[in-house]
Amino acid sequence: DIQMTQSPASLSASLGETVSIECLASEDIYNNLAWYQQKPGKSPQLLIYYASSLQDGVPSRFSGSGSGTQYSLKINSLESEDAATYFCLQDSEYPYTFGAGTKLELK
Amino acid sequence: QVQLQQSGAELAKPGSSVKISCKASGYTFTSYYISWIKQTTGQGLEYIGYINTGSGGTNYNEKFKGKATLTVDKSSSTAFMQLSSLTPDDSAVYYCARGNILWVWWGQGTLVTVSS
Repeated sequence: DIQMTQSPASLSASLGETVSIECLASEDIYNNLAWYQQKPGKSPQLLIYYASSLQDGVPSRFSGSGSGTQYSLKINSLESEDAATYFCLQDSEYPYTFGAGTKLELK
Repeated sequence: QVQLQQSGAELAKPGSSVKISCKASGYTFTSYYISWIKQTTGQGLEYIGYINTGSGGTNYNEKFKGKATLTVDKSSSTAFMQLSSLTPDDSAVYYCARGNILWVWWGQGTLVTVSS
């Protein structure tokens, strides 16, 4: 199975700041990488697919980049509603595998 | 609009089985696979597998073969996942999601607690 190493595990930032979350795959996943946001008690929501494509309805302050084995999610101009846990998911090869998650706290 | 409505929380004894449902509405059920995902605090998110809602064909994560059984009832637009020989490690929130990729639509999750 492809291992997804996500960092950091937690992050604290202020409103208006920019943050980045990284995911490292154990092998090339050919941009087949999605990012999800999950708030407590809710189902995950798709933010980014195919590494950098923004899902409809997702604010443009979210962006994804990367290739090969290294990918990142950037959130510009943090807003209070961005407090959540973020997961990466590789959907290049079965079984799909997730990163362990990054909990973003707003100061 | 698209909705996936999952069945309610389950409390089950070790060694028993549970069957979770995921009722779809707002779209043509057989046009999309249904995938299942497990979430625990300790292990995070794990992909269980998917079912082709048209043919009933399935694809399982090796880890969940023998543990999860995916079925569908096309007449009621409902997908099911049966979990067997339950142990405390099966305690989790289980989600269904539409499609075998790019999960935009999710169920609300079903909490399964395995305890004697």
